Amino acid sequence: GENVEQHPSTLSVQEGDSAVIKCTYSDSASNYFPWYKQELGKGPQLIIDIRSNVGEKKDQRIAVTLNKTAKHFSLHITETQPEDSAVYFCAAFSDYKLSFGAGTTVTVRA
Amino acid sequence: DGGITQSPKYLFRKEGQNVTLSCEQNLNHDAMYWYRQDPGQGLRLIYYSQIVNDFQKGDIAEGYSVSREKKESFPLTVTSAQKNPTAFYLCASSSQGRYNEQFFGPGTRLTVL
Repeated sequence: GENVEQHPSTLSVQEGDSAVIKCTYSDSASNYFPWYKQELGKGPQLIIDIRSNVGEKKDQRIAVTLNKTAKHFSLHITETQPEDSAVYFCAAFSDYKLSFGAGTTVTVRA
Repeated sequence: DGGITQSPKYLFRKEGQNVTLSCEQNLNHDAMYWYRQDPGQGLRLIYYSQIVNDFQKGDIAEGYSVSREKKESFPLTVTSAQKNPTAFYLCASSSQGRYNEQFFGPGTRLTVL
């Protein structure tokens, strides 16, 4: 089955700086890669996703890149704000299922 | 409002008791999923259902059971056979298709005393 690894597990950034989270996956058949943001005690919310036929996608301050050859994808958050503090999960879709990374706790320092 | 509802938000049970967690969606989605989340870990798939009256085991199905009698509902039963049931349980749904954007409910925190 699919195995997704996510790094780092925790990330502390100064407000206004950028944050980068990286994930690798094992199944070359995976074709969809969403990123979720989870606030304390709540369900994850989809923030951005990328399909296997696209190398990069951007939505305001967040962007995702995908390298299918190397089997890794990354989340980039620019101009971080306090409300960006949360746990972020990457995931990869194959065989009708999503497999999730272990999560990154992002803290934005004011 | 369209969305996924889970109830209750907090649930306490004594060890050895079965407990059923509710998940309802009004998004007209065909597929529904149950995940378990433990502190500091990602989401692990328990069961999923792509269509009514059909479901498959996920990665950690032992000690759990589900049913899918209606498109809108996918209840999860945590049985006494589950060795460590205390966790945060998340339900999700998605429309069928090649790209599987999943929408999550607010979760149920189960504590077994």
